Amino acid sequence: EAQVTQNPRYLITVTGKKLTVTCSQNMNHEYMSWYRQDPGLGLRQIYYSMNVEVTDKGDVPEGYKVSRKEKRNFPLILESPSPNQTSLYFCASSTRQGIIIYEQFFGPGTRLTVL
Amino acid sequence: AQSVTQLGSHVSVSEGALVLLRCNYSSSVPPYLFWYVQYPNQGLQLLLKYTSAATLVKGINGFEAEFKKSETSFHLTKPSAHMSDAAEYFCAVSEGTGGTSYGKLTFGQGTILTVHP
Repeated sequence: EAQVTQNPRYLITVTGKKLTVTCSQNMNHEYMSWYRQDPGLGLRQIYYSMNVEVTDKGDVPEGYKVSRKEKRNFPLILESPSPNQTSLYFCASSTRQGIIIYEQFFGPGTRLTVL
Repeated sequence: AQSVTQLGSHVSVSEGALVLLRCNYSSSVPPYLFWYVQYPNQGLQLLLKYTSAATLVKGINGFEAEFKKSETSFHLTKPSAHMSDAAEYFCAVSEGTGGTSYGKLTFGQGTILTVHP
C-alpha cells in the first residue's frame, strides 16, 4: 500500500530534550515536506526537500532541522524543543516534474506536546 | 509571495443543501491550486487540484471547484451536502511554471464544515 508513515504518532516531552520524528514514504517520491498545524493558522510549511541531499526552508523553520540522506526518509529534528513547538506535525511527499510539485500525500500526523 | 485566504472558519449547512467554501489566493505567477479535506484525527486527503488545464475541476466525493483568474478565487462547491462531508477543508497554493517559490505550498487557515440532518 502506498503510504507516508510517521513515528511516533504521539509524543510528550520536556523542554530542551532533543527529539526526532521520523517520516518514510514508499512511493519513490522525490519531494518531501514537513508542516505544522495549529488551530486558526492552518498548515505551515517547516522545511521541504526536492531530492536527496537537497533541503530548503519553508515559512516557519526556526527551531527545526531536517536531513535527506535517503530518498524515502525525511526526519524532523528538534534539537532543543520549547513549548511553542507543541503542535500537530505532518509529513508529506509528492512526485515532481522539474520544479513543478504535484499533489502531496500526507502522513497520519504526529501530535507533539512540549512541557 | 503567495498567500491564501479562506473566508469563514466555520460553515454550517443542512443535509442536501449546497456547499460553498470560499478560497482566494495571491500569487506572482499562475498558480497551482488544491483543496484538501481533513477528517477528525486523520491526515489530509486531496479533493481536487487545478494545474492550468480546465478551469472547472472535478474532484472526489462530488466536489468541484472553479478557477477564476479575474477574481483570484478557487471556491469549492458541492450541490448536495451529505453528513459524511463534515470535516475541515483546506485550500492551498503553490507557484506554477515561472515561479521562484517552487516547492513551497501555502495553506489557508481552514474551514470547518458542519452538516445538520
